[in-house]
Amino acid sequence: EVQLVESGGGLVQPGGSLRLSCAASGFTFSTYWMHWVRQAPGKGLEWVANIKEDGRETYYVDSVKGRFTISRDNAKNSLYLQMNSLRAEDTAVYYCASLSVGWGQGTLVTVSS
Amino acid sequence: QSVLTQPPSASGTPGQRVTISCSGSSSNIGSNTANWYQQLPGTAPKVLINNNNKRPSGVPDRFSGSKSGTSASLAISGLQSEDEADYYCATWDDSLNGWVFGGGTKLTVL
Repeated sequence: EVQLVESGGGLVQPGGSLRLSCAASGFTFSTYWMHWVRQAPGKGLEWVANIKEDGRETYYVDSVKGRFTISRDNAKNSLYLQMNSLRAEDTAVYYCASLSVGWGQGTLVTVSS
Repeated sequence: QSVLTQPPSASGTPGQRVTISCSGSSSNIGSNTANWYQQLPGTAPKVLINNNNKRPSGVPDRFSGSKSGTSASLAISGLQSEDEADYYCATWDDSLNGWVFGGGTKLTVL
C-alpha cells in the first residue's frame, strides 16, 4: 500500500522559513517523479514543485521560484520542501504526492504574525 | 483563473451516469496525458485516473477517463452517494514547464 506521510508544518511569521518532509513507503520511491501540491483554505489544488527520479531536474510554479527548494533522498525514501521568505499567501495544506500513484494526508502551513 | 477549465458543479441521482469535462490547450492536454483526482470532504486527494484512462488498483470500474484533442473527461456510472466529492483534472503544461490543475468540480448526488 502506498504511504506518504508529511511533517514539518506549523505557524510561522511572514518572512520566516519552514522545512517540510515526506516519508514514502509501499512503492519504489526512486523510480517516480515526486511533487508538492498545496491547497489554500477553501480553495482548489495548486501544484508547487516537482523533482525527477534522480533529483537532477526540478520545476517550480512561478510564485515560489527563488523562495522554495524541493529535494529528495532516495536512500531514505524521503522528499523535502525548504520554504524561505514565506508570505501570507503561502498559507495552505501542503501535500506530498506521486501524481500517478498516491498522495499524503497533508501538513498545514500557516503564515501569520 | 485555472489553465484547465472544469465546470464548478455537477449533479446526478443514484444510479445515473455523470460526465465531468476538463478543457485545456495544445500545450497541456493536447500534448500530454491527463490525470483525475477525487477529494472527499475533509480528506486528501486520491488518484482516480492516470494516463488519460488508467485506473489504479482499487478504483472501481464505474470510473472511466477519456481524452480527445485538448479536452479530457471523467465519467462516473452507477452514481452512488459516496461519490459526492470534489474532482480535479491535471496535466503537464509544456509552455509553463509545470503541472496545472483544473479549478475542480463539486459533484452532488441528489
